[in-house]
Amino acid sequence: DAKTTQPNSMESNEEEPVHLPCNHSTISGTDYIHWYRQLPSQGPEYVIHGLTSNVNNRMASLAIAEDRKSSTLILHRATLRDAAVYYCILRPLIQGAQKLVFGQGTRLTINP
Amino acid sequence: DTGVSQNPRHKITKRGQNVTFRCDPISEHNRLYWYRQTLGQGPEFLTYFQNEAQLEKSRLLSDRFSAERPKGSFSTLEIQRTEQGDSAMYLCASSSNQYYRSGANVLTFGAGSRLTVL
Repeated sequence: DAKTTQPNSMESNEEEPVHLPCNHSTISGTDYIHWYRQLPSQGPEYVIHGLTSNVNNRMASLAIAEDRKSSTLILHRATLRDAAVYYCILRPLIQGAQKLVFGQGTRLTINP
Repeated sequence: DTGVSQNPRHKITKRGQNVTFRCDPISEHNRLYWYRQTLGQGPEFLTYFQNEAQLEKSRLLSDRFSAERPKGSFSTLEIQRTEQGDSAMYLCASSSNQYYRSGANVLTFGAGSRLTVL
């Protein structure tokens, strides 16, 4: 399974943007980049995914480097409810590769 | 649809006892996954079903663990002769293969079943 590297923890202030980095230097051409987050006492929830182009949805934006060896999840205006562990996961688009392989993620703390 | 439902939410048992967890996935999802998560770690994959067929099992799933999805709907995860090392959160997720080629195949997780083995 392709590996991702994320900082163990990050801290930001409420109502400020947050940029969560992820390195995936061994990414292959058919790997999608997925982000999930896990709020306290809950299961992980899907945030966003992309392949090559930057992506936006109501929760966040995903900026993907041109060489695809890194990506950044952007929370445009953090709230206290965004405090969670954020996981960056590579998901191969090949037959049989159904599971998600989680790392340890980045624990995001939001200060009021 | 209320999402993925897991029961019980909490289970405390004595070492050596058997426990069973149930997962009710989103009704139109044909794929179901079990994960285990210990404190401070990311979820670890245990097993995966497509409909009623168990297609992949992790090495983590020892012979004391068995998972079933008899009619391709709900699933059960049974742990026999529990050990203290089995204490963890057991997470269930489901997904549809409808968006497979778009790279989505988003997993929807339940809130988990927390097991404490004394």
